[in-house]
Amino acid sequence: EPEVTQTPSHQVTQMGQEVILRCVPISNHLYFYWYRQILGQKVEFLVSFYNNEISEKSEIFDDQFSVERPDGSNFTLKIRSTKLEDSAMYFCASLDRALYGYTFGSGTRLTVV
Amino acid sequence: LAKTTQPISMDSYEGQEVNITCSHNNIATNDYITWYQQFPSQGPRFIIQGYKTKVTNEVASLFIPADRKSSTLSLPRVSLSDTAVYYCLVVIDTGRRALTFGSGTRLQVQP
Repeated sequence: EPEVTQTPSHQVTQMGQEVILRCVPISNHLYFYWYRQILGQKVEFLVSFYNNEISEKSEIFDDQFSVERPDGSNFTLKIRSTKLEDSAMYFCASLDRALYGYTFGSGTRLTVV
Repeated sequence: LAKTTQPISMDSYEGQEVNITCSHNNIATNDYITWYQQFPSQGPRFIIQGYKTKVTNEVASLFIPADRKSSTLSLPRVSLSDTAVYYCLVVIDTGRRALTFGSGTRLQVQP
């Protein structure tokens, strides 16, 4: 079964540093997403990406965040100047053309210290 | 999108059938009902999606009455590995829009 792959599985960073979270979506999927889940809280939408541009974003996704699909296979989330409250699980997801459910990756646990 | 309401938690025993009901009173004509499962420290996993009546796959069944104001996810003969959080979501027909997760139903299966 095709998978969405995320790396690293766990990242620890110091407050103020920049991090890049990486995702390899399923190869024939066209729609890509980032979600996050703070420990004990709901899964929250951050951003969606289609045709090399952002198609939708939440109010969480401010100037601190950016996304990129640099090489046609990877999909990255960059968080600049990390804050303690950015500590969360970050999930990448992808979706194909058909009306089926998203496929989520296993997530990257980001810990900001 | 329609707001969904589902029980916070449920308990069951191995081998039993579990039914989780979700209400979505304000569902729109173009909306679908979709269910996800999430294990601790893992991403949500799509289970099933439907529009009306009954949908069945190898994992679960989804029952949707004619008025579509509620839906029931049915898990046959649960095992310990079905212990997870189950989310009911309403999605627009294109299916590409952002998913809005609620708190879900925490299912605990005991031996």
